[in-house]
Amino acid sequence: GENVEQHPSTLSVQEGDSAVIKCTYSDSASNYFPWYKQELGKRPQLIIDIRSNVGEKKDQRIAVTLNKTAKHFSLHITETQPEDSAVYFCAASKGDSWGKFQFGAGTQVVVTP
Amino acid sequence: GAVVSQHPSWVICKSGTSVKIECRSLDFQATTMFWYRQFPKQSLMLMATSNEGSKATYEQGVEKDKFLINHASLTLSTLTVTSAHPEDSSFYICSASRSAGTDTQYFGPGTRLTVL
Repeated sequence: GENVEQHPSTLSVQEGDSAVIKCTYSDSASNYFPWYKQELGKRPQLIIDIRSNVGEKKDQRIAVTLNKTAKHFSLHITETQPEDSAVYFCAASKGDSWGKFQFGAGTQVVVTP
Repeated sequence: GAVVSQHPSWVICKSGTSVKIECRSLDFQATTMFWYRQFPKQSLMLMATSNEGSKATYEQGVEKDKFLINHASLTLSTLTVTSAHPEDSSFYICSASRSAGTDTQYFGPGTRLTVL
């Protein structure tokens, strides 16, 4: 089955700097890659996603890149702010009728003022 | 759009009792709903996938007789933890998808279950 590895497990950045989180997946049939942000005790919220027919997607300070050949995708957050502090999860899905996600282990991001 | 609610948000029960958790899609019809379990500082672990009107599909290692899932309509799925024990204490989160395979999953706020 699909296996998603996420690095780093923790990331501390200075406010205003950029943060990058990387995920690799094992199943070449995966074609949908969402990123979720989860604050403590809250629900995971979709922040950006990308499908396999696209190499990069951007939404204001957040961007995701996908390298299908290498089977990895990354989340980029620019000009980080304290409210970006949270746990970020990547996921991979084959987009089949089951629609199951395989989640990465998560990255705890701490933005210090 | 794409709001998912969960009820209750937290529950405390005695060992041996059963607890039912509801998951509702408020502004869309969910063909597929998913139930996850999340331990502190860990990722989301998929327990089962349910499609409206059919039996749930459980992940390996998840006891179907202990975690009963019913997806009675396109807006409601329920998870019943039967004969709960302290080791069942966890954060249970549901998600819903308008169309599995073409749509993303929208998550409920989660239910904190504590079994005494």
